[in-house]
Amino acid sequence: EPEVTQTPSHQVTQMGQEVILRCVPISNHLYFYWYRQILGQKVEFLVSFYNNEISEKSEIFDDQFSVERPDGSNFTLKIRSTKLEDSAMYFCASSDGDRGVDEQFFGPGTRLTVL
Amino acid sequence: QKEVEQNSGPLSVPEGAIASLNCTYSDRGSQSFFWYRQYSGKSPELIMSIYSNGDKEDGRFTAQLNKASQYVSLLIRDSQPSDSATYLCAVNPNRLFQKLVFGTGTRLLVSP
Repeated sequence: EPEVTQTPSHQVTQMGQEVILRCVPISNHLYFYWYRQILGQKVEFLVSFYNNEISEKSEIFDDQFSVERPDGSNFTLKIRSTKLEDSAMYFCASSDGDRGVDEQFFGPGTRLTVL
Repeated sequence: QKEVEQNSGPLSVPEGAIASLNCTYSDRGSQSFFWYRQYSGKSPELIMSIYSNGDKEDGRFTAQLNKASQYVSLLIRDSQPSDSATYLCAVNPNRLFQKLVFGTGTRLLVSP
């Protein structure tokens, strides 16, 4: 069964450093998303991406964040200058919006720890 | 602010019983509703989607939607210890933009 994959599973970084989280969405899906979940809190939407551009972003997704689809399979989230409060699980998801349904399938996540 | 509300639990049921999980949402225009299961330390796993008022059944799971009451529920029949997890209700408030708003989740404990 096709699935979303994410790398790395765990990333440790120093405050102020840049990190890139990588995702491979399900191959025939058209919509891609990033969510985050701070430990013990709810899953929060960050950004959605369709047709090579951002379709919606949340208040969390400020100028420190960017997304890119550098090739036909990868979807990345970059955090330019990490803060302690960026420590969280980051989930990539994808959906096949072309069929008129919007079920989103999540990857296993990347645990980001900012020291 | 578009909100999705769930009782955090834990909801404890014995093995074989029916577990009933509830969710309310604030945005009356919401069109798409989802239940995800999340095991501790893992990612959300899609269980059910529902778009129309009424019931939708898939195996041991039944999702129920009442748009007039802004209420979504999930019934799990013949609950198993392996069903012990946190169940997340998620709502897409605007299908044009395809984002999910999640509740905090209800922790379900199924005892053998």
